[in-house]
Amino acid sequence: GDSVTQMEGPVTLSEEAFLTINCTYTATGYPSLFWYVQYPGEGLQLLLKATKADDKGSNKGFEATYRKETTSFHLEKGSVQVSDSAVYFCALSDSPGGTSYGKLTFGQGTILTVHP
Amino acid sequence: GAVVSQHPSRVICKSGTSVKIECRSLDFQATTMFWYRQFPKQSLMLMATSNEGSKATYEQGVEKDKFLINHASLTLSTLTVTSAHPEDSSFYICSASTSLAGGDTQYFGPGTRLTVL
Repeated sequence: GDSVTQMEGPVTLSEEAFLTINCTYTATGYPSLFWYVQYPGEGLQLLLKATKADDKGSNKGFEATYRKETTSFHLEKGSVQVSDSAVYFCALSDSPGGTSYGKLTFGQGTILTVHP
Repeated sequence: GAVVSQHPSRVICKSGTSVKIECRSLDFQATTMFWYRQFPKQSLMLMATSNEGSKATYEQGVEKDKFLINHASLTLSTLTVTSAHPEDSSFYICSASTSLAGGDTQYFGPGTRLTVL
């Protein structure tokens, strides 16, 4: 079945540091890939997505590129801020057209803490 | 933006009792709602998918008689944990999606922490 593996956390960084959170996946077919973020006390929010190979999703300074050859979707940000402290989840969906109407398979989540 | 609420946010109950968790889409109509369970330091595991007015579809290994899901309207789904036991203690999260134009995202609730004593 489908699965998503994220790098173990927690990740602790100083403000303005470079961030990478690794994510690899196993899926049949051609899944769509997502990054969700969960801020303290809030529900998961879609951060970015990519629907096909070589697509790059981006939002709020975060980027991730759909790499079919390495089955990866690593999250990166050039300069993190304290407000980026949250839990980040990588996920995939085999629903058509990049929608997440259907079932999402999540990674285990990575806790990011950014210090001033 | 689309908001999904859950109630209660925390609940503590005695073993053998039943607990109901509500999930509401506050400013949109949700054609589909999902229920997830999250264990500490683990990913969200999909329990079931429910469409308004029809029976929920449960994932393999999820007991449908234990986790009763009702999706009575386009803005409300409920999860009832029947005869709860300590092993049911977990974080339960719902999400709602809509197939209306422009709607291509699952919107998540903040979760409900269930502790069974």
